[in-house]
Amino acid sequence: DAGVIQSPRHEVTEMGQEVTLRCKPISGHNSLFWYRQTMMRGLELLIYFNNNVPIDDSGMPEDRFSAKMPNASFSTLKIQPSEPRDSAVYFCASSPTNHEQFFGPGTRLTVL
Amino acid sequence: QKEVEQNSGPLSVPEGAIASLNCTYSDRGSQSFFWYRQYSGKSPELIMFIYSNGDKEDGRFTAQLNKASQYVSLLIRDSQPSDSATYLCAVRDNDMRFGAGTRLTVKP
Repeated sequence: DAGVIQSPRHEVTEMGQEVTLRCKPISGHNSLFWYRQTMMRGLELLIYFNNNVPIDDSGMPEDRFSAKMPNASFSTLKIQPSEPRDSAVYFCASSPTNHEQFFGPGTRLTVL
Repeated sequence: QKEVEQNSGPLSVPEGAIASLNCTYSDRGSQSFFWYRQYSGKSPELIMFIYSNGDKEDGRFTAQLNKASQYVSLLIRDSQPSDSATYLCAVRDNDMRFGAGTRLTVKP
């Protein structure tokens, strides 16, 4: 298996633009997690899905952030409009139910 | 608010020594506990998981869990410079909460 796949690996955009991050989980994993990591705040859980259904989005910072999982093999995290304080590394992780998570390589987002 | 606490470090040990990393958590209902290693610029990777009180050993790594004290630790024996990384403690019930991580440096 190729592991968790994320795209793009790097994204540089200007404030106010829409950003879409993509994730393909490991086949057979039914839980998917989106995290944000910064030096100041560490690794923060944004949202997670079980069987494509959002379970807890309490970590989503504000309405500018949205996430979808239209099927078991694909999820997106969208920021609209983006702001400089959104600059971070965004990780997607997947797991079988109640087991350890496997992380993707991350997307490094820079908002100018 | 569920909390997972770790000393941020840096923790510095000489090569060959034992490195001890500690983590406390606030949610008594937590069932699963994980240690991840993260090299600079890379994604976290799983080292150990533990579900039951006591010790669990895997090669040079030993995870220790004490649910009564809400404490989980990771011991690294015969530390190597390649062990230098940030170690993240994670606690799972329905979701997964991570500590801020402890930066470990193993000096040759």
